[in-house]
Amino acid sequence: NAGVTQTPKFQVLKTGQSMTLQCAQDMNHEYMSWYRQDPGMGLRLIHYSVGAGITDQGEVPNGYNVSRSTTEDFPLRLLSAAPSQTSVYFCASSYRGGLAGGSSGANVLTFGAGSRLTVL
Amino acid sequence: AQKITQTQPGMFVQEKEAVTLDCTYDTSDPSYGLFWYKQPSSGEMIFLIYQGSYDQQNATEGRYSLNFQKARKSANLVISASQLGDSAMYFCAMREGFYNQGGKLIFGQGTELSVKP
Repeated sequence: NAGVTQTPKFQVLKTGQSMTLQCAQDMNHEYMSWYRQDPGMGLRLIHYSVGAGITDQGEVPNGYNVSRSTTEDFPLRLLSAAPSQTSVYFCASSYRGGLAGGSSGANVLTFGAGSRLTVL
Repeated sequence: AQKITQTQPGMFVQEKEAVTLDCTYDTSDPSYGLFWYKQPSSGEMIFLIYQGSYDQQNATEGRYSLNFQKARKSANLVISASQLGDSAMYFCAMREGFYNQGGKLIFGQGTELSVKP
């Protein structure tokens, strides 16, 4: 099993350029999500999806688009890159689960290796 | 307001000693889950341990245990017998709400642990 695969691992963009970060999982997970990691701020949720055709915004969605046409893929699109989007991006997936507070709530997120994006 | 607070930006521990990493959380939901992840210098996120709000006992996974104090809203990670390979960034995270809600996690700022030989 490959788990969660993110591409590219590194990318340098100029301000105003667009690009797509790819994310694919082969675990048949219902849930997928994108996070960004900035120094001193932990990981913050950008967008997430509970299944094919269903997406929603997280904490920091501005400047990003997502779509989920299949269970396996969840690409993240930067529409017009800005220096503030310089960050490390993580894609994650998990099974759908039960109560968040119970033992069945331990649907652990599996993370991809991350994509380091620099916007000049 | 911060939902997950990790007050120790950096910590040092001697090899083979135990260390406690602090995490406090804030939620009004009765159903929530607390996670700890490890991020070594290579960058990947590694799941360590989980505690559900309904769990009666503190979670343990090998050398990791979670000191869950519900009334204080704290979920401290205890690493026993530290090893050099434990040097990493550690994140506390919370999932809140009755259902899993798409696997959304709220992360703390992280604690960087350095293990000295």
